[in-house]
Amino acid sequence: GAVVSQHPSRVICKSGTSVKIECRSLDFQATTMFWYRQFPKQSLMLMATSNEGSKATYEQGVEKDKFLINHASLTLSTLTVTSAHPEDSSFYICSAPETGLAKNIQYFGAGTRLSVL
Amino acid sequence: SQQGEEDPQALSIQEGENATMNCSYKTSINNLQWYRQNSGRGLVHLILIRSNEREKHSGRLRVTLDTSKKSSSLLITASRAADTASYFCATDLSNYQLIWGAGTKLIIKP
Repeated sequence: GAVVSQHPSRVICKSGTSVKIECRSLDFQATTMFWYRQFPKQSLMLMATSNEGSKATYEQGVEKDKFLINHASLTLSTLTVTSAHPEDSSFYICSAPETGLAKNIQYFGAGTRLSVL
Repeated sequence: SQQGEEDPQALSIQEGENATMNCSYKTSINNLQWYRQNSGRGLVHLILIRSNEREKHSGRLRVTLDTSKKSSSLLITASRAADTASYFCATDLSNYQLIWGAGTKLIIKP
């Protein structure tokens, strides 16, 4: 199956710094990628839809200036958490859909555990 | 973005027993999918069932879909310790976005 690589897997940073998370589709092109946030013992919360060559679409309540998304190529989307604060500590996961055969199967990165001190 | 409800929220069974998880959704769907998430990891696609299908099998997995009740179930037969994970159902919107259920945490006791 398709592979999505997410990096880094874990990051610890000081409050006020910015953190960049990369999501790459390794063996397929992804014009769309999704960024999720997951709180402990909860389901996925969609933050934004990353669109190659255009602006990301953010879900209600997600600050676009806080969570910068760049989808510069067909295989790479990045999420930058700007001026991170302890409340931004969470598990962030990206996914990319493989839409062949009229299906919409999502392939996920392994996730990034962000801890802001 | 959640529209699905899953039950139970948590399920703990002995190895070898069957595990059944249920999912309900609210709107019409094209298909319904089940995913698995090991603790602290990304999700892995398990199985997809189309809206015109009623049952589907994949190895020890059996998925049913009842569109009249807007519900689906995932059955894992002969459970193994390695099946311990959280299981999520998801239904699709038209823009490749998925709507996720709340998930069921499954614990298989050896």
